[in-house]
Amino acid sequence: ELKVEQNPLFLSMQEGKNYTIYCNYSTTSDRLYWYRQDPGKSLESLFVLLSNGAVKQEGRLMASLDTKARLSTLHITAAVHDLSATYFCAPWGSGAGSYQLTFGKGTKLSVIP
Amino acid sequence: GAGVSQSPSNKVTEKGKDVELRCDPISGHTALYWYRQRLGQGLEFLIYFQGNSAPDKSGLPSDRFSAERTGESVSTLTIQRTQQEDSAVYLCASSSRTSGRNEQFFGPGTRLTVL
Repeated sequence: ELKVEQNPLFLSMQEGKNYTIYCNYSTTSDRLYWYRQDPGKSLESLFVLLSNGAVKQEGRLMASLDTKARLSTLHITAAVHDLSATYFCAPWGSGAGSYQLTFGKGTKLSVIP
Repeated sequence: GAGVSQSPSNKVTEKGKDVELRCDPISGHTALYWYRQRLGQGLEFLIYFQGNSAPDKSGLPSDRFSAERTGESVSTLTIQRTQQEDSAVYLCASSSRTSGRNEQFFGPGTRLTVL
C-alpha cells in the first residue's frame, strides 16, 4: 500500500525567503501531482510530474521528482503572502485498491510580511 | 469550459438521517473520484469509477456509504443513518485517461455537518 509523508506539515516563513517542502512516498511511482488548497476552497492543480527527473516551474514555485529516491520537492523562492495556502503532494500508485492518487497530509504554509 | 460541479455546497442534517451528495464531472472525463476531507486533514479516498468498469469501493469507511454513477455522467454519494463523525467536506474529482496525464480536477466540495 502506498504511503505518503510530507514535511513539514506546518511552515511559517517570512516574505522574501526560500524554503523547500518534501514529499516522500513508500512504493514505486512514476508520476506525482502537486495541489494547492486555499482555506475553505477546493484543490487547484499546480504541477504534474510525469517522469524521473521531471522539473516544472511556475512563478515562485518549482517542483521536481526523483522516482528512484521516491521523493518530490516543492521549492519556494522569495515567498510572497499570496503563496499562503496548504500544499498537497499525491503520487500515482496502488493505494488500497486500484491505481490512483494517494494524498499526503498537506503542508500548511503561512507567509508573514 | 465547465469544471466539476457539486451540490449542495452545504448540507446540515440531523444524526440518523440519510443524505445524498451530487457530483457533475467535466464532460468527457471517464474517471470520477470521491474523497472525504475532515477539518484540517488531508484527503481520504472513498470510491473511484472508471467508465463502465466495476467501481473501486475500497475506501468506503462503512456500509452506510454507497455511491452510484450512471455511465460517464453524474454521480451520487449516499450516506445512510449519518453520524457526527461523518461531518466533513466531500470532494469529487474527475479525470480523463485519454490525455495520459491522469490529472484530477476537483469540484468545490459539499460541506456536510451532522448535528
